[in-house]
Amino acid sequence: AQRVTQPEKLLSVFKGAPVELKCNYSYSGSPELFWYVQYSRQRLQLLLRHISRESIKGFTADLNKGETSFHLKKPFAQEEDSAMYYCVPRSGTYKYIFGTGTRLKVLA
Amino acid sequence: DTAVSQTPKYLVTQMGNDKSIKCEQNLGHDTMYWYKQDSKKFLKIMFSYNNKELIINETVPNRFSPKSPDKAHLNLHINSLELGDSAVYFCASSQGRSNQPQHFGDGTRLSIL
Repeated sequence: AQRVTQPEKLLSVFKGAPVELKCNYSYSGSPELFWYVQYSRQRLQLLLRHISRESIKGFTADLNKGETSFHLKKPFAQEEDSAMYYCVPRSGTYKYIFGTGTRLKVLA
Repeated sequence: DTAVSQTPKYLVTQMGNDKSIKCEQNLGHDTMYWYKQDSKKFLKIMFSYNNKELIINETVPNRFSPKSPDKAHLNLHINSLELGDSAVYFCASSQGRSNQPQHFGDGTRLSIL
């Protein structure tokens, strides 16, 4: 079955510390992968996607096909990074499967 | 200039009532979605329409009925509201056959008394 796993429900780090939000997926073929972010009481926004290989707000994510992972990383966390983060593979044309999300709390 | 707009933002109503949430997108996308986000922030897809045709219908009670009058609109009607329907409902749109991501609305917070 197609599945995406974000093992951490809550991740707390201190400001300035490195951050890694884990995501593992199990899909046949080559899904497209996205990270979405939801700041408190705001809409979900695209953070980044694997095909563009860009860095947004200092976050990067590398697709590791061998490990079927797409972990989100940032070298130095900032307080404004506190939010819910969702790893989202897209399977086929229409189906976006949201992970359970990881709440990131950056402590001062 | 909102890309995906939902109304209302907040909806407080009593159990047993019928209510509708509207969604409109001005991005020219051909695919629209409804998601339900529960109190634990788990986001689950409910429905998806492509060019007014239903293409995804997850396990959702019959009390929920989506309607897409045209590809820019996807409304959600809920009959006989129950306590468990309390959640935030998000509308989203995307261009189906592309690698572009989904765009989300601000959400509608539904509270059942």
